[in-house]
Amino acid sequence: GAVVSQHPSRVICKSGTSVKIECRSLDFQATTMFWYRQFPKQSLMLMATSNEGSKATYEQGVEKDKFLINHASLTLSTLTVTSAHPEDSSFYICSARSNPGTSGAGGETQYFGPGTRLLVL
Amino acid sequence: QKEVEQDPGPLSVPEGAIVSLNCTYSNSAFQYFMWYRQYSRKGPELLMYTYSSGNKEDGRFTAQVDKSSKYISLFIRDSQPSDSATYLCAMSEYSSASKIIFGSGTRLSIRP
Repeated sequence: GAVVSQHPSRVICKSGTSVKIECRSLDFQATTMFWYRQFPKQSLMLMATSNEGSKATYEQGVEKDKFLINHASLTLSTLTVTSAHPEDSSFYICSARSNPGTSGAGGETQYFGPGTRLLVL
Repeated sequence: QKEVEQDPGPLSVPEGAIVSLNCTYSNSAFQYFMWYRQYSRKGPELLMYTYSSGNKEDGRFTAQVDKSSKYISLFIRDSQPSDSATYLCAMSEYSSASKIIFGSGTRLSIRP
């Protein structure tokens, strides 16, 4: 089945620093990747949609200058939390979908990564 | 009003019981309905995927969608302790590979 990995799995940083989170599709090419944020005991909230080779589309209320997304290849997207503050502490999850019409791994659904837990002190 | 409403629980039932999880929604444009299972500190895992109204069964799991009532359900038969997790309903207008709106999740605990 389709596998999506994230790195790191958890990170602790000081307020004001920037943190980069990687999302990789391991056995399929992902034209589209999604980034979600999940606060404790709350649901996943979509932050942005990134398409390979183009600018990400951000959801209302998400600061694009604070959450930089790069999708430079068909297997890798990165989320950089710039000048992180304690209120940015959360569980960040990515998902990936393959090329439309692709059979086999990836297919026509989203596959989620294991998440990255960010704690900003 | 949230687009998708889901009782957060927690819900605790004895092993072997039938579990019923439910969500309501307000956006009549939703056509694709999913249920995800999420273990603590892990990413969600797709359990069931249904298009439009109707029932779908997969082993011990049955998903039901009633678009006229804007109500979806997930039933788990012969529940096992390993089913203990948070269950998230999710919906999309275009496909399960497009923008998904999640419910808040129901925490389920199966007592041995």
